[in-house]
Amino acid sequence: SQTIHQWPATLVQPVGSPLSLECTVEGTSNPNLYWYRQAAGRGLQLLFYSVGIGQISSEVPQNLSASRPQDRQFILSSKKLLLSDSGFYLCAWIHFRGRAGNEQFFGPGTRLTVL
Amino acid sequence: GIQVEQSPPDLILQEGANSTLRCNFSDSVNNLQWFHQNPWGQLINLFYIPSGTKQNGRLSATTVATERYSLLYISSSQTTDSGVYFCAVYLGNSGAGSYQLTFGKGTKLSVIP
Repeated sequence: SQTIHQWPATLVQPVGSPLSLECTVEGTSNPNLYWYRQAAGRGLQLLFYSVGIGQISSEVPQNLSASRPQDRQFILSSKKLLLSDSGFYLCAWIHFRGRAGNEQFFGPGTRLTVL
Repeated sequence: GIQVEQSPPDLILQEGANSTLRCNFSDSVNNLQWFHQNPWGQLINLFYIPSGTKQNGRLSATTVATERYSLLYISSSQTTDSGVYFCAVYLGNSGAGSYQLTFGKGTKLSVIP
């Protein structure tokens, strides 16, 4: 079965420091991968998605970047964090099931606090 | 873009009560999913239901695609049902490679003993 991992689970960083969040997927190959951010107040905002190694699409221009160095690894980064980067970051992948329909699954998330 | 509206935004239930959560969407959709976000933040898949009715234990969901709404039923609620329930839809026009879900703002459910 497929499993999605995120590291770290929680993170407290000062303003201006760099960031690296990692997402890895097990049990599937060449997955579509996604980064979402959930700020206080619940809504999920799609940040980036990737359909393959080295292929990144950005949905929202901002202080963050993403990379996909390996098939099942997706990295979210920043060179200098802002206060507004605080939030809950979720990684997700798509299970393509043909006629049975495509279903999105989420990792456990990383809670980032920028002070 | 497509609009996804969930109601009610907040709901407080006594343990054992039943409830209905609603999701309205502004355009025809190919896929629809319901998620439960527990108090620890984990998003748990409840249903993949672009049309029709499905049941899983005390939960069931119905999507009437022609009328652009979906309902999530929770029966005999328990305190562990607390959290935020999200509806998310996929139009099918954002390219085969991206498959982008659009989320509603959620219904926050609190079940009190």
